[in-house]
Amino acid sequence: SAVISQKPSRDICQRGTSLTIQCQVDSQVTMMFWYRQQPGQSLTLIATANQGSEATYESGFVIDKFPISRPNLTFSTLTVSNMSPEDSSIYLCSVTIGQFNTEAFFGQGTRLTVV
Amino acid sequence: QQQVKQSPQSLIVQKGGISIINCAYENTAFDYFPWYQQFPGKGPALLIAIRPDVSEKKEGRFTISFNKSAKQFSLHIMDSQPGDSATYFCAASRARGATNKLIFGTGTLLAVQP
Repeated sequence: SAVISQKPSRDICQRGTSLTIQCQVDSQVTMMFWYRQQPGQSLTLIATANQGSEATYESGFVIDKFPISRPNLTFSTLTVSNMSPEDSSIYLCSVTIGQFNTEAFFGQGTRLTVV
Repeated sequence: QQQVKQSPQSLIVQKGGISIINCAYENTAFDYFPWYQQFPGKGPALLIAIRPDVSEKKEGRFTISFNKSAKQFSLHIMDSQPGDSATYFCAASRARGATNKLIFGTGTLLAVQP
């Protein structure tokens, strides 16, 4: 398994500001992902954080809004830029391990409220 | 084709009963089907997973049934307990795909009444 620590666990931010969320894994992993989960809803993949190269974004998500860093195999950050109330959500870091990198483990999430 | 449809949206079961959650997929390239359990304020936790070469997998009180021809799979929770009350998500991915992205179902909120 993998232990994932996310910081902060929650935050309340003013619209127009940016928040950077950190994700630390207890072991080196190849695949790291960032998800968004609206309250009471399912998980939507934002992007795959690639070590040493630019993140791969899913449809509907862009780098200018959600810049991602992946400086090494145990750490990644997601920034939510120029926030609006619509960005209020839970943001989750995930890694995959195991054969074929299929077993996904998640951090506890960052609950973001934009006011 | 990338969707995973999950039902029911919510489920109430009496303690000791059987909870059944169903999922259906369209993309025949999917070959890994996990179930996740999520408690309020926590990230999803891997519960059990199956690959299409078997029709059933059991771990304790949790069983996945898989029907490849119907492109459906389900989670059965036997002897349901109040501690099982959580949101359950099915998911699917291509284990041998380039990025192994998980596609999640819409979730089922399970309440087990004592």
